[in-house]
Amino acid sequence: NAGVTQTPKFQVLKTGQSMTLQCAQDMNHNSMYWYRQDPGMGLRLIYYSASEGTTDKGEVPNGYNVSRLNKREFSLRLESAAPSQTSVYFCASSPSDRDDTQYFGPGTRLTVL
Amino acid sequence: GENVEQHPSTLSVQEGDSAVIKCTYSDSASNYFPWYKQELGKRPQLIIDIRSNVGEKKDQRIAVTLNKTAKHFSLHITETQPEDSAVYFCAAIDNYGQNFVFGPGTRLSVLP
Repeated sequence: NAGVTQTPKFQVLKTGQSMTLQCAQDMNHNSMYWYRQDPGMGLRLIYYSASEGTTDKGEVPNGYNVSRLNKREFSLRLESAAPSQTSVYFCASSPSDRDDTQYFGPGTRLTVL
Repeated sequence: GENVEQHPSTLSVQEGDSAVIKCTYSDSASNYFPWYKQELGKRPQLIIDIRSNVGEKKDQRIAVTLNKTAKHFSLHITETQPEDSAVYFCAAIDNYGQNFVFGPGTRLSVLP
């Protein structure tokens, strides 16, 4: 099993450009999450999907949209990138949205100029 | 909403000594408390977790204690080794499983 995979690993954007971060898991997990990690700030939840067909906002959803394409895939879209969105983005999945272990992907390092 | 504080932000110990990291949370409904280890440039990985129906859990050199009354939980690492050097994050998850909040992290350095 590959676990949780993310693409791309690195990306540089100019202010105003758009892009989609891809995430997939092969563990048959129901719940998936997107976090951003800034230096000294820990991990902050952007959006999550408790199950296929549902999405909900987390702590910092502004400037982002998500799509739960199917049970395996959960994408994060930046419609108009801003320098404040420079960060490392982690996708995670868990068997359910209750008290379950979250498994993280390798991360995407995004720089917005 | 939930708020998680973590102390200290940095911790240096001599190899073989113990390390303790403490976290406090604000939401009394929180019932699940995982600890993650993140090595430089790597993804966070779960090392131990505890649920609100127990007060302590141990896994080899790692233990976690939970005080629900005081709303704090701690990570204890004994006989530290250089490979324990990493950033450690605590987290709290509320009763509805919908609010996942991480602490800001503790950078642990184990000196040989």
